[in-house]
Amino acid sequence: DSGVTQTPKHLITATGQRVTLRCSPRSGDLSVYWYQQSLDQGLQFLIQYYNGEERAKGNILERFSAQQFPDLHSELNLSSLELGDSALYFCASSRGIGSREQYFGPGTRLTVT
Amino acid sequence: QQQVKQSPQSLIVQKGGISIINCAYENTAFDYFPWYQQFPGKGPALLIAIRPDVSEKKEGRFTISFNKSAKQFSLHIMDSQPGDSATYFCAASIQGGYQKVTFGTGTKLQVIP
Repeated sequence: DSGVTQTPKHLITATGQRVTLRCSPRSGDLSVYWYQQSLDQGLQFLIQYYNGEERAKGNILERFSAQQFPDLHSELNLSSLELGDSALYFCASSRGIGSREQYFGPGTRLTVT
Repeated sequence: QQQVKQSPQSLIVQKGGISIINCAYENTAFDYFPWYQQFPGKGPALLIAIRPDVSEKKEGRFTISFNKSAKQFSLHIMDSQPGDSATYFCAASIQGGYQKVTFGTGTKLQVIP
């Protein structure tokens, strides 16, 4: 158990809908990262927050947004969902902004029908 | 330039054998190379990592070999066990105030008795 929690574990929704995925980092970790894992694209970095501020952006679509709250938990919002958004979404956390070791949560499996 | 190429895509090894997974990168700015292990239904877990000033790092049965001039690195699993059956991802990142990690495409390892 990495200490990173993610909810929900599974999510099934229809095209065009909006969903929110939630992540709580390990105790003491200030950085949160979001990744998308799909069969054809592998593990793709989406976005990083550090202590409430966005620090890095990867291959994140404009339909997706994230934020990190004062208690350090983070939410990833996915809107106008398409079939191709079906994937595993992982959250990871690390101690500081320059910390190399990232600890991954168990993921949220999103299915868009 | 941000890609990390990983091979093979899948690997079957007999119990007690050596599993070898290879990765190559282009961006010479990468300065941290972790390997992650992922079991079905779980998030990736950091296994072992190396920096480019070291040619080899060993932790138990897991060894990373690093060839800076060739821009290649590999994971060796000695005395492979059925419990090692998982998907392995190599990765690379650049120090710079944030940790945007680029992952390889993954290798599914099956260790047969």
